[in-house]
Amino acid sequence: EAGVAQSPRYKIIEKRQSVAFWCNPISGHATLYWYQQILGQGPKLLIQFQNNGVVDDSQLPKDRFSAERLKGVDSTLKIQPAKLEDSAVYLCASSLTLLNLMLANNEQFFGPGTRLTVL
Amino acid sequence: AQSVSQHNHHVILSEAASLELGCNYSYGGTVNLFWYVQYPGQHLQLLLKYFSGDPLVKGIKGFEAEFIKSKFSFNLRKPSVQWSDTAEYFCASLYSGAGSYQLTFGKGTKLSVIP
Repeated sequence: EAGVAQSPRYKIIEKRQSVAFWCNPISGHATLYWYQQILGQGPKLLIQFQNNGVVDDSQLPKDRFSAERLKGVDSTLKIQPAKLEDSAVYLCASSLTLLNLMLANNEQFFGPGTRLTVL
Repeated sequence: AQSVSQHNHHVILSEAASLELGCNYSYGGTVNLFWYVQYPGQHLQLLLKYFSGDPLVKGIKGFEAEFIKSKFSFNLRKPSVQWSDTAEYFCASLYSGAGSYQLTFGKGTKLSVIP
């Protein structure tokens, strides 16, 4: 079974530039998550989708971050304009459903992440 | 909102030593707890999870964790570590609200095992 795919793996930009990350979840997974992991910290949830709808984006800095999952499969996360403090690894994850993650087989699978450096 | 605290930032052990990594969570109703591991250059992956029943949970690769409700703890243990256990370990709790379920992660503990 193919895992969660993300691209690019690395990105270096200057502050005030724009950047976009792409995620392809595991086939058949309805729920998709974007996390931000700053160096020395654990992942922090930014947004989660159920199919093509946003379920929770309460921790997404909406003045500069946006995300979409138009057809309920792939997703893109965009930052415009980037700030120095956005330097982090951006992780995408997917799970079968939005239901309780404790249910059998409803594990959250993570992609390799995109490491963003803002200069 | 829930929070998760991991006591150690970096642990260094020799092979065959016993491991215990601390994790404390803030109380938030029903408790669902996880340990994830990230090996160098690899994805985050699930080690084990607890949601009810036996407070001693066994996971992959010989790891186990014990849920102690009175201490709000969910410490990860392994009786004898190997060099291949070198990785970063994250404790997480599941928070439910507003129709969604969110994982809240601790800051992680880096484990280095010396051959």
